[in-house]
Amino acid sequence: EIAMTQSPASLSLSPGDRVTLSCRASQSVGVYLGWYQQKRGQAPRLLIYDASNRATGIPARFSGSGSGTDFTLTISSLEPEDFAVYYCQQRGSWPPTFGQGTRLEI
Amino acid sequence: EVQLVQSGAEVKKPGESLKISCQGSGYSFSRYWIVWVRQMPGKGLEWMGIIYPGDSDIRYSPSFQGQVTISADKSINTAYLQWDSLKASDTAMYYCARHSFGYSLDYFAPWGQGTQVTVSS
Repeated sequence: EIAMTQSPASLSLSPGDRVTLSCRASQSVGVYLGWYQQKRGQAPRLLIYDASNRATGIPARFSGSGSGTDFTLTISSLEPEDFAVYYCQQRGSWPPTFGQGTRLEI
Repeated sequence: EVQLVQSGAEVKKPGESLKISCQGSGYSFSRYWIVWVRQMPGKGLEWMGIIYPGDSDIRYSPSFQGQVTISADKSINTAYLQWDSLKASDTAMYYCARHSFGYSLDYFAPWGQGTQVTVSS
């Protein structure tokens, strides 16, 4: 089973800030990495799939990059509604696994 | 609109059985895998297992094999997650989600709203 490690565990930021979140896989997953956003009290929402593709309806301020074992999610300018927990998930190897999450706080 | 609607919150005692549901609409239910994901209080997301409603092919995470049973009834577009004997440690939010692109190894979208299961004596 591939272990996914996200860093940092939490970040304290302000609206308008640019932020980059990291996700590292214990072995290569190619480009098969997705990112989810979970707001308090809500179900997760898919933001990015296959490392760099935005899911339907996701604003352009969200972007993803990386391949192999190292991936990043960048939010170019934080909006108030972006303060949430972000999870990465790999689908490169069975079974799919999630990172432990990064919490963005105001 | 593709949508998954889950059954309501449950409060149970240890040792009791439970079956929660996830009904899909707005797409061909038989043709997309459904995943179940656990989220314990204040914790992250755990992949439990998947089912392909078209032929009821089921795969479990080793962590959940033997602890839960996943099933589906494609005639009513509904997937299920059940326990024969609940434990306090089963207290969690349980989400279902559809596989995004139809692969057995996939991303998950959309998600159901979640079913809170509380097990307490």
